Amino acid sequence: GAVVSQHPSRVICKSGTSVKIECRSLDFQATTMFWYRQFPKKSLMLMATSNEGSKATYEQGVEKDKFLINHASLTLSTLTVTSAHPEDSSFYICSARDLGAGVRSYGYTFGSGTRLTVV
Amino acid sequence: DAKTTQPTSMDCAEGRAANLPCNHSTISGNEYVYWYRQIHSQGPQYIIHGLKNNETNEMASLIITEDRKSSTLILPHATLRDTAVYYCIVRDFLSGNTPLVFGKGTRLSVIA
Repeated sequence: GAVVSQHPSRVICKSGTSVKIECRSLDFQATTMFWYRQFPKKSLMLMATSNEGSKATYEQGVEKDKFLINHASLTLSTLTVTSAHPEDSSFYICSARDLGAGVRSYGYTFGSGTRLTVV
Repeated sequence: DAKTTQPTSMDCAEGRAANLPCNHSTISGNEYVYWYRQIHSQGPQYIIHGLKNNETNEMASLIITEDRKSSTLILPHATLRDTAVYYCIVRDFLSGNTPLVFGKGTRLSVIA
């Protein structure tokens, strides 16, 4: 089945630095990928929709200048947390849909997540 | 997409069937019921989906009531590895390439 690879799985960075998270679709092309954030014991919250070759669309309340998204190819989207602060510490998850699996299939595959800790 | 309601948490003895309910009373005719689960510190994993007929796969069974206003996910023989948060999501199959929206889900604890 469709596989989405997300790296790194865990990162610790100093406050004020930037961190890049990669999300790759391994066996299918994804014109659109989705980025979620999850705080402890909370549900996944959609941050942004990443579109190949165009600008990402951000959910209300998500700072686009802080969470930079680049989707330069049909298999890779990156999320860069710029000038990270401790409140950005969270679990970040990407997702993509394999449209080739058919409209009525589940199609959505998720990465394994990235645990970001800002110290 | 229609709203879903799930119990906050449930316990299940290892080896017994786990029955996780979901209410979706405002579901429309084009909307499927999807179940995902999230094991701690991992990304969500697809389990099963259905429209109106009961469905079964190697992971679980999905029972949808005749009026489609509720459904039950059944894990026939729960193991400790099934401890996770289970999400019931209702979604129009015509929604296209739009993201899944997650509710709070049910935290299932399988107890030895």
